[in-house]
Amino acid sequence: DQQVKQNSPSLSVQEGRISILNCDYTNSMFDYFLWYKKYPAEGPTFLISISSIKDKNEDGRFTVFLNKSAKHLSLHIVPSQPGDSAVYFCAATTFTGTASKLTFGTGTRLQVTL
Amino acid sequence: GAVVSQHPSWVICKSGTSVKIECRSLDFQATTMFWYRQFPKQSLMLMATSNEGSKATYEQGVEKDKFLINHASLTLSTLTVTSAHPEDSSFYICSAEGFVGTEAFFGQGTRLTVV
Repeated sequence: DQQVKQNSPSLSVQEGRISILNCDYTNSMFDYFLWYKKYPAEGPTFLISISSIKDKNEDGRFTVFLNKSAKHLSLHIVPSQPGDSAVYFCAATTFTGTASKLTFGTGTRLQVTL
Repeated sequence: GAVVSQHPSWVICKSGTSVKIECRSLDFQATTMFWYRQFPKQSLMLMATSNEGSKATYEQGVEKDKFLINHASLTLSTLTVTSAHPEDSSFYICSAEGFVGTEAFFGQGTRLTVV
């Protein structure tokens, strides 16, 4: 049962344009969401996160939007750069009072073209 | 940011042998570390939660006798794949948290190939 889903396995965007990566989740207990960027044969790198008490969080070119009623979040990258080409994973977790386990989506491969 | 070092980055071993992977938090103390596994073109799947000084908690379907986890100190967790078989070939990644609820920092990953 895939609790976190990224329905687009790949996305191609022109340099300078906006990249929008989507993520849906089914577990209503999730209350903290993260986006990671991953290159082949490397560990994921944290990008940005959002708590369920917010609907938007911005950090430089990266903005994450959360729609709790739709159980949907999205990552916006603007402007997109060739160096952004990678696989992006969204992840979700629940604060339990102990360290939180992450549940990952299947990833979206972003290619930024010149 | 915080750094998590994972070693080795890749390893090839013969079927039936054991392989140990180390995960170290270099500049913070990690009471909890996590071990993930990724198959090609698939998501990272949590294998187990490693708690310093106590037994690891394994996810459903993960064989604890095959994937031995030791978290002997606040900066080191090890994953040993015992009696490895070709189907154990995968990409293994560890992560660590310094504080509850902060983003997890990941190691570089280990590509294990069992021949």
